[in-house]
Amino acid sequence: DSGVTQTPKHLITATGQRVTLRCSPRSGDLSVYWYQQSLDQGLQFLIQYYNGEERAKGNILERFSAQQFPDLHSELNLSSLELGDSALYFCASSFGRQVSTGELFFGEGSRLTVL
Amino acid sequence: GEDVEQSLFLSVREGDSSVINCTYTDSSSTYLYWYKQEPGAGLQLLTYIFSNMDMKQDQRLTVLLNKKDKHLSLRIADTQTGDSAIYFCAQGTGRRALTFGSGTRLQVQP
Repeated sequence: DSGVTQTPKHLITATGQRVTLRCSPRSGDLSVYWYQQSLDQGLQFLIQYYNGEERAKGNILERFSAQQFPDLHSELNLSSLELGDSALYFCASSFGRQVSTGELFFGEGSRLTVL
Repeated sequence: GEDVEQSLFLSVREGDSSVINCTYTDSSSTYLYWYKQEPGAGLQLLTYIFSNMDMKQDQRLTVLLNKKDKHLSLRIADTQTGDSAIYFCAQGTGRRALTFGSGTRLQVQP
């Protein structure tokens, strides 16, 4: 158990809909990262928050947004969903702003299926 | 770019050594990592190597780094069925989030 909690574990929805994925980081960790794992594109970095502020942005679509709340949990909002958004979305956390020898702790992921 | 490339699949027999290879592009990478993903689980850090090192050994795991060729490998000695998983190579500069490869699925035949 990494200490990172993601909900929901599975989600099935239709094209055009909007969903929210939730992540609670490991106790004491200030950074939250979102990654998308799909069959054809591997593990893609989406966005990082550190202590409530956006720290780094990766390949995140404009239809997607995220935030980190004062209690450090984070939400990833996916809107106008398309079939290609079907993937496993991982949240990871770490203590500091950047990862060096410190590891990323991953949640078990939220599997999104768009029909 | 920040691409990390790995072969997709490797099959070995139980007791043999496994070697998983990775190439990366960012020459400013400070640390290189190997993560393991078991079925239905998130990624878990296996080991990492600092870019000024050539080799790191940790029990059955040996990491080799060829910085000139930007090539990283993970050797698992005496591979067991419990080692069956997807192994991800990742690079980091300490300034940006880690960049992961697509993962190598290791299948261990009994």
